[in-house]
Parts: sequence; C-alpha cells; structure tokens
Amino acid sequence: GAGVSQSPSNKVTEKGKDVELRCDPISGHTALYWYRQRLGQGLEFLIYFQGNSAPDKSGLPSDRFSAERTGESVSTLTIQRTQQEDSAVYLCASSWTNSPLHFGNGTRLTVT
Amino acid sequence: SQQGEEDPQALSIQEGENATMNCSYKTSINNLQWYRQNSGRGLVHLILIRSNEREKHSGRLRVTLDTSKKSSSLLITASRAADTASYFCATDAGGSYIPTFGRGTSLIVHP
Repeated sequence: GAGVSQSPSNKVTEKGKDVELRCDPISGHTALYWYRQRLGQGLEFLIYFQGNSAPDKSGLPSDRFSAERTGESVSTLTIQRTQQEDSAVYLCASSWTNSPLHFGNGTRLTVT
Repeated sequence: SQQGEEDPQALSIQEGENATMNCSYKTSINNLQWYRQNSGRGLVHLILIRSNEREKHSGRLRVTLDTSKKSSSLLITASRAADTASYFCATDAGGSYIPTFGRGTSLIVHP
C-alpha cells in the first residue's frame, strides 16, 4: 500500500519568503508528526497531531512555524519569513495510536 | 533536548562482522525503538522494546534493554553492505506518545 508521501521533495527559497510543506499520511493513521533534521543531526520534534485532540505544538521553534491537519488526512507545515537557519530536511511521519512511526522521505528545504 | 544518545557516533566494519550500537537515555521510558535511515531517505522502523521487556529479536537484529542503567543496545549479526545506514534510537515517556530521537550512529559495512 501507499506510504507517507511528502511534497515537494526539494524546495529552494529566498530568505524572507513563506513556504508550505505537505504531508499525506497513511490512510487511517490517527497520529501525525513533523520533525526537522539538520545535516548530520538527529531528529528535532516539531508538532504532533492525534485524532481530534488539540495538537502538541511544544516543539515549534518560533511563531514563524505553524501546522494544520484536516481530520485524519493531509497536513501542511508552513514557515513564514524563512531564515537561513530553517534550512533542513523536514520529515513527516504517521502511525496508529501508540505504534511505530512510518516516515516519508522528507522535504529538503534550502533557504538562500 | 535529546533524550536518547547513541554511541558510537560512527562505526566502520567489514561484511560478516557483528555491529553493536548503544543508546543511553535520561528519564524513565514507556518504550524504546530503533530506526534505520538510508542516505536521503526517511526513517524505517526496525524494532520496539517495551520498558518491561529485556530482549527482543528480529531476524539478524537483537535489542536489549537495561532500565536500571537506562541503556539499550542494538546488535546486527553477520552484517552486510546493505546494512550501511544511520541507526537511531527513540524513546517515549509519560502520557504522550512522542518519540524523542538521538543523533544516531553512522554504520558503514565494507564489502
């Protein structure tokens, strides 16, 4: 079956522009996560959606970052007024409740 | 902040040898998981061990968990060149299932 799909796979943007990253989770998965991975580093938690509960936004690094999820489907991560330090791979994952995560291949964001 | 930290940061071995990676964490956990990441790809789940378990096997993988030492190890037996990847441990704690990842171990298996 289809896995987690992320788009675009690569995004180059100019400093100060807004970007929107998309994640299509595995159908039926109730949980959805966004992580950030800087070059050669581990994964940094950003935000967690679980069903219809309020999302856990505790990992968002600044108010320039926001994310939405419609029901148990698509999620978008928006970064406003991008900065060079936002350059990273943004990984989305989905899962059943309290189950292992299934990751997409990520969006590589480069801010010039 | 990082909950789990893998050790070593990098490991280089010959095909056929065993590879052992360790993960240490700071606070009590519910579960510990190991994931693999090939270059340029997302992470793939390998194995989950719960806090009340001590050892699990899956094919050539063996995971141990020592909650008294707050540490886990991942053993890959009879390694293959295709095992070349980064390996991450992830822990979750408390009531919220949000896995926290370490920085990973980069494994290179030479054919």
